[in-house]
Amino acid sequence: GESVGLHLPTLSVQEGDNSIINCAYSNSASDYFIWYKQESGKGPQFIIDIRSNMDKRQGQRVTVLLNKTVKHLSLQIAATQPGDSAVYFCAENQGAQKLVFGQGTRLTINP
Amino acid sequence: DAGVIQSPRHEVTEMGQEVTLRCKPISGHNSLFWYRQTMMRGLELLIYFNNNVPIDDSGMPEDRFSAKMPNASFSTLKIQPSEPRDSAVYFCASRLSGGFYGYTFGSGTRLTVV
Repeated sequence: GESVGLHLPTLSVQEGDNSIINCAYSNSASDYFIWYKQESGKGPQFIIDIRSNMDKRQGQRVTVLLNKTVKHLSLQIAATQPGDSAVYFCAENQGAQKLVFGQGTRLTINP
Repeated sequence: DAGVIQSPRHEVTEMGQEVTLRCKPISGHNSLFWYRQTMMRGLELLIYFNNNVPIDDSGMPEDRFSAKMPNASFSTLKIQPSEPRDSAVYFCASRLSGGFYGYTFGSGTRLTVV
């Protein structure tokens, strides 16, 4: 029979609200983490990165938090806009330039 | 900069045919990566090159897949013979190695094998 595809976790937020997307990573030795945004029909687009020697980094409307104790990464988007609707991936650099992606979270912005 | 350029954007081919996907990395980037994206498996790293040399091809599914990088500005991913299960979106990405730099992705090639 036909295999069931991946069902992406989905987060729906109201326009103007803040959103938090979470990610658990697998390798405690990973030294670098990146959040990507992928819109329909496009390639992943770099949003923000963080090194393992940091626990927080801020960009324009986005903040990434890293908790190495529990191997958790989060992306906070402030004042979400319709253009923020996309699938968001976290990725960890597991050494030797091996960037491994999480399964992704679909963010939907409600008007 | 035009970014990472991939061609073709879409490819439909019959099972058993040879398929060649092309990638031009960002000028000055010395690492190049090929990824495959499917609903079932998400984004998977197939192979990557450093300074035109293949470093890790452990993600290449089987011998039907091969990749080359004859120079710093061009890479190909070839599937011969193609099968329906190869249908996916194939992405190329590049970066500057040796530091903490993000990877820049191309727009991808959507491959459909019928």
